[in-house]
Amino acid sequence: AQSVAQPEDQVNVAEGNPLTVKCTYSVSGNPYLFWYVQYPNRGLQFLLKYITGDNLVKGSYGFEAEFNKSQTSFHLKKPSALVSDSALYFCAVRTSWRGGNNRKLIWGLGTSLAVNP
Amino acid sequence: DAGVIQSPRHEVTEMGQEVTLRCKPISGHNSLFWYRQTMMRGLELLIYFNNNVPIDDSGMPEDRFSAKMPNASFSTLKIQPSEPRDSAVYFCASSQRTGDDGYTFGSGTRLTVV
Repeated sequence: AQSVAQPEDQVNVAEGNPLTVKCTYSVSGNPYLFWYVQYPNRGLQFLLKYITGDNLVKGSYGFEAEFNKSQTSFHLKKPSALVSDSALYFCAVRTSWRGGNNRKLIWGLGTSLAVNP
Repeated sequence: DAGVIQSPRHEVTEMGQEVTLRCKPISGHNSLFWYRQTMMRGLELLIYFNNNVPIDDSGMPEDRFSAKMPNASFSTLKIQPSEPRDSAVYFCASSQRTGDDGYTFGSGTRLTVV
């Protein structure tokens, strides 16, 4: 069965420090991986994706994520956190296999990031 | 483009009443998704459409829920009759063909059933 795990409900980091939000996955075939961010009272916004190619992908707002096939992980990172990065972060995955319901994303439960001034 | 537009933003209704949520996807996007978000269950996919055709409605909780997409620019999610446990934020999202360039979410409808 396909699944996504975000092992931390909450991550706290001081402004200016690096941040990491963790994500591990299980999927048949090659994974397509995504990160989304949700600010209070807003819909989710797409941050970045890994489909193929370089394992380090860069996205919006200075975020990046590293695909690690052997560890089946796709952790979200940022070198220097801002207070405005405080939000809910979601990891999602789908299989590369075509057809049927394979376009459907499987979502993690989200990680709340709090960046303290 | 104004993005994905959902209405209403907030809905408070009494148990047993019919509720209709509306969504206008981004022009040119041919996939549309209805999600429900609660603290207990997180983000749940209810149904998705491709080219106006429902592809997977396995997430629709009960027969009380129904969704339609009569054309490429409009979709509705209806709950009849509504129950307090339906209280949640309902999101509509749209994407181009495969969604691999990301989904665009609307701002959601916060539904409260009392």
